[in-house]
Amino acid sequence: SAVISQKPSRDICQRGTSLTIQCQVDSQVTMMFWYRQQPGQSLTLIATANQGSEATYESGFVIDKFPISRPNLTFSTLTVSNMSPEDSSIYLCSVEEGGSGTGELFFGEGSRLTVL
Amino acid sequence: EDKVVQSPLSLVVHEGDTVTLNCSYEVTNFRSLLWYKQEKKAPTFLFMLTSSGIEKKSGRLSSILDKKELFSILNITATQTGDSAVYLCAHNSGGSNYKLTFGKGTLLTVNP
Repeated sequence: SAVISQKPSRDICQRGTSLTIQCQVDSQVTMMFWYRQQPGQSLTLIATANQGSEATYESGFVIDKFPISRPNLTFSTLTVSNMSPEDSSIYLCSVEEGGSGTGELFFGEGSRLTVL
Repeated sequence: EDKVVQSPLSLVVHEGDTVTLNCSYEVTNFRSLLWYKQEKKAPTFLFMLTSSGIEKKSGRLSSILDKKELFSILNITATQTGDSAVYLCAHNSGGSNYKLTFGKGTLLTVNP
């Protein structure tokens, strides 16, 4: 299975600042997915990042708030902009093994953000 | 909108007990149902189910899907303290973005 590295692992941020989360995969993948898990809630898909095109955002998430880069087939970044305490969450990068379309996602270790 | 509901939300058992976790779903276009174990941050993949009535098994864990009644169960036999985690159920509706819809999870605590 793919090995996914995320950083930072955790961070404490001030309100109004922005933070960029990096995700590195040890193999080339077509799509990378960014999820958010707010405290006590389920995982929610933020956006799907394809190399060479703009990310596709889910309802309730916008590019200005969560800009995503996908410069190559092994790397992506998610920026959480102008943070507020409501953005305190675990942010997870994931990829689908083998591109089978069955949804067998593998996840990075996650980035736990706390916004004060 | 697709919906995945897990029950119970939390469960406390003693080592050696057998537990059954439930997942029901309402979806417009079914492709697969998945179970994950989340101990700290990263969910780890357990099972993927696509066909009704076929049990998937891995050690003490097993899972089965009922596409007619729209639910799945995850069984853990002879539980150990290391089984303590949040167990997540997710539905994949297929399509071009492989979006997974997750339930809120069941927090399982196994006491020695």
